Amino acid sequence: DAGITQSPRHKVTETGTPVTLRCHQTENHRYMYWYRQDPGHGLRLIHYSYGVKDTDKGEVSDGYSVSRSKTEDFLLTLESATSSQTSVYFCAIRTSGSGGSGANVLTFGAGSRLTVL
Amino acid sequence: GDSVTQMEGPVTLSEEAFLTINCTYTATGYPSLFWYVQYPGEGLQLLLKATKADDKGSNKGFEATYRKETTSFHLEKGSVQVSDSAVYFCALSPPGGGGGNKLTFGTGTQLKVEL
Repeated sequence: DAGITQSPRHKVTETGTPVTLRCHQTENHRYMYWYRQDPGHGLRLIHYSYGVKDTDKGEVSDGYSVSRSKTEDFLLTLESATSSQTSVYFCAIRTSGSGGSGANVLTFGAGSRLTVL
Repeated sequence: GDSVTQMEGPVTLSEEAFLTINCTYTATGYPSLFWYVQYPGEGLQLLLKATKADDKGSNKGFEATYRKETTSFHLEKGSVQVSDSAVYFCALSPPGGGGGNKLTFGTGTQLKVEL
């Protein structure tokens, strides 16, 4: 079982406050991802990382930043939370498939439910 | 860009009924295709995958065949159980893992199985 934990699992905050979600892995995987899940939209990619200090934007990156200073940790920050960022956030790691195989299997964390009032 | 379209839910079935959840995709080349399942309160889990045309992925009685000619990857199960109640997501990744090895997901289809 891939060791991937997210924290906090639940958070309620107010509009305008900063929020940081943490994703921690124990297996030294290179690729890590942050998705958000909303009704009617499925999962949408926010940011991803392909190594320490190597990150790139996904399709819904506005209002979010990420950092990866260590292989095992991938942080998602909302600099100034808004109600539209109320969502369930999932971290994922790429756990199999070499560069050319195309079999990009992702393993997901349990999710972090964020409510912005 | 790449996209995945799934049938709208919820789908409600009686136990032992036959299940089909439709999935079609738009992508260049030959992407890899996946079905993930999400049980209540949990993260997504890989259910099955197929990496090339005509491949059949299977797991836990579920099957899906990669159809390049119809750009489809429909999920099927011959006899569903109450424990199959969950949300099912179809997804694709670019050929060769290009573009950061990202997965593009459909919107999900909720399945409810009743006794």
